[in-house]
Amino acid sequence: KAGVTQTPRYLIKTRGQQVTLSCSPISGHRSVSWYQQTPGQGLQFLFEYFSETQRNKGNFPGRFSGRQFSNSRSEMNVSTLELGDSALYLCASSLVGIGQGIGGYTFGSGTRLTVV
Amino acid sequence: GESVGLHLPTLSVQEGDNSIINCAYSNSASDYFIWYKQESGKGPQFIIDIRSNMDKRQGQRVTVLLNKTVKHLSLQIAATQPGDSAVYFCAENFASGGSYIPTFGRGTSLIVHP
Repeated sequence: KAGVTQTPRYLIKTRGQQVTLSCSPISGHRSVSWYQQTPGQGLQFLFEYFSETQRNKGNFPGRFSGRQFSNSRSEMNVSTLELGDSALYLCASSLVGIGQGIGGYTFGSGTRLTVV
Repeated sequence: GESVGLHLPTLSVQEGDNSIINCAYSNSASDYFIWYKQESGKGPQFIIDIRSNMDKRQGQRVTVLLNKTVKHLSLQIAATQPGDSAVYFCAENFASGGSYIPTFGRGTSLIVHP
């Protein structure tokens, strides 16, 4: 079956703009989580959605937001982009959430966001 | 490929050797741990997990050891192959909101020489 699909693959935005990234989970997966990966901070948890509700949130400012649709697809939005938001944004999905089935999340290949 | 990190600890081994990658975690409340492998240009891939009520778990060619006393996790890869070359992350998870919140280690770059 198809894996986790993230679009777009690459994105260049200007400081101050806003951006929306999309994630389609594996069919049947209801939990979707988002992560930011940078050389300086490594991999950091942004938030997790389950059945259209945000279940957990990491330590990121309110400029970072997300949502999940009834078909489990998810989007994350970053408003008022800063240079430091340049990163690889990863989405991951699991059936009901990690620790409640077999293994961890299945990750997509990410969206590379560059803010100039 | 895309770099997943700069100045990562690096472990260089010869093909066929056993590899041991270490990870220190910080939260005593973490009760679920996962090792991920990330190849250049790809997202992390689940390798093996372990719960805090265990101190060892084995998979295919991989073993995870958990020492809760010193908050240390290790991943052992037997008979390391060139295809094992990647960055390896540990993730500690603590329960929240009906799920878990993960915190990731910085990663170790494993280089396997043929």
